[in-house]
Amino acid sequence: DAKTTQPNSMESNEEEPVHLPCNHSTISGTDYIHWYRQLPSQGPEYVIHGLTSNVNNRMASLAIAEDRKSSTLILHRATLRDAAVYYCILRDWNAGGTSYGKLTFGQGTILTVHP
Amino acid sequence: NAGVTQTPKFQVLKTGQSMTLQCAQDMNHEYMSWYRQDPGMGLRLIHYSVGAGITDQGEVPNGYNVSRSTTEDFPLRLLSAAPSQTSVYFCASSVPGGGTEAFFGQGTRLTVV
Repeated sequence: DAKTTQPNSMESNEEEPVHLPCNHSTISGTDYIHWYRQLPSQGPEYVIHGLTSNVNNRMASLAIAEDRKSSTLILHRATLRDAAVYYCILRDWNAGGTSYGKLTFGQGTILTVHP
Repeated sequence: NAGVTQTPKFQVLKTGQSMTLQCAQDMNHEYMSWYRQDPGMGLRLIHYSVGAGITDQGEVPNGYNVSRSTTEDFPLRLLSAAPSQTSVYFCASSVPGGGTEAFFGQGTRLTVV
């Protein structure tokens, strides 16, 4: 499975934008880039995903480098409710056998939001 | 539409006991998986399934069994509980493939004494 590298922690102030980086230098052409977050004492929840182009949804934006070896999750205005662990994950849609679609989590980035 | 439902939410077991963690989804998802999360750690994949009758091992399968007889249910069996299996367990489901969203349950907190 292709791996991702994220900073262990980041801090932000409320109402400010947050840029969470992720490196995935061994990404394959069939890997989607997914972001999930986990609030305290909860299960992970989906944030956003993309393949090659930048993506926007109601929660966040995903900026993908042209060579796809890195990406950035952008929270446009952080709130206290955005304090969570953010996971950047590669999900292969075309792996052989039963492996396709596996979600393999790394350590993630702990985001602290200050009032 | 309940999503992914895990039962029980909390469980205490004695070493050597067996039990089954239940996971059910009502979204007709083919792909289901089980993770464990130890304190301060990320989620580690235990077992997964791409459809009824098809299961495979993740990165930490030892001590756990799974089967998938229906699309809706994917139970996780602990054969002989050990203190090292104390963890929070999450079940997830999705349509198979790379470009689809996965849905997670709220977790089962298991303590083995």
